[in-house]
Amino acid sequence: GAVVSQHPSRVICKSGTSVKIECRSLDFQATTMFWYRQFPKQSLMLMATSNEGSKATYEQGVEKDKFLINHASLTLSTLTVTSAHPEDSSFYICSAPLAGGADTQYFGPGTRLTVL
Amino acid sequence: GNSVTQMEGPVTLSEEAFLTINCTYTATGYPSLFWYVQYPGEGLQLLLKATKADDKGSNKGFEATYRKETTSFHLEKGSVQVSDSAVYFCASGKGGNNNDMRFGAGTRLTVKP
Repeated sequence: GAVVSQHPSRVICKSGTSVKIECRSLDFQATTMFWYRQFPKQSLMLMATSNEGSKATYEQGVEKDKFLINHASLTLSTLTVTSAHPEDSSFYICSAPLAGGADTQYFGPGTRLTVL
Repeated sequence: GNSVTQMEGPVTLSEEAFLTINCTYTATGYPSLFWYVQYPGEGLQLLLKATKADDKGSNKGFEATYRKETTSFHLEKGSVQVSDSAVYFCASGKGGNNNDMRFGAGTRLTVKP
């Protein structure tokens, strides 16, 4: 089946620094990828839609200058958490739909960010 | 908009026990309904889905029926195995490029031998 990878799986950083998370579709091309955030014992919350060749679309309440998204190619989207603060600590998950596979999302394993 | 409420865990069962994880949804229109499973260290994987009322999704011995009258999509398995230990997420909405999916909080299942 289709595989989506994320890197790194875990990152710890100091407050005020920026952190980049990569999401790759390994065996298929994805013109669209999605970024989610998950707080402990809570739902996955859709943050933004990453579009290859155009600007990302952000959900209401998500700061686009805080969470920079770049869809550099048909297999790579990056999420950069800028000037991270402890409240940005969370589990970040990306997903990508398989072209022609309506309703089916393929998820990455997630990245746990801890901001000290 | 769509939202999903699922049974809080954790759930601990003995091998061969019957499993039910409750899930209810609110939605405008008729969303597709999904169960995803996340094994330790891995991404969410689609377990089963149903796209319209009275549809039954099934996979690996798991089943769930799209109940419009009770707005529910409860996950069941007649006899769980240790290898079923994972976190299960209920979701509703559309997937694909027009993603408006909403997820439940997840239910952690542990099956003991």
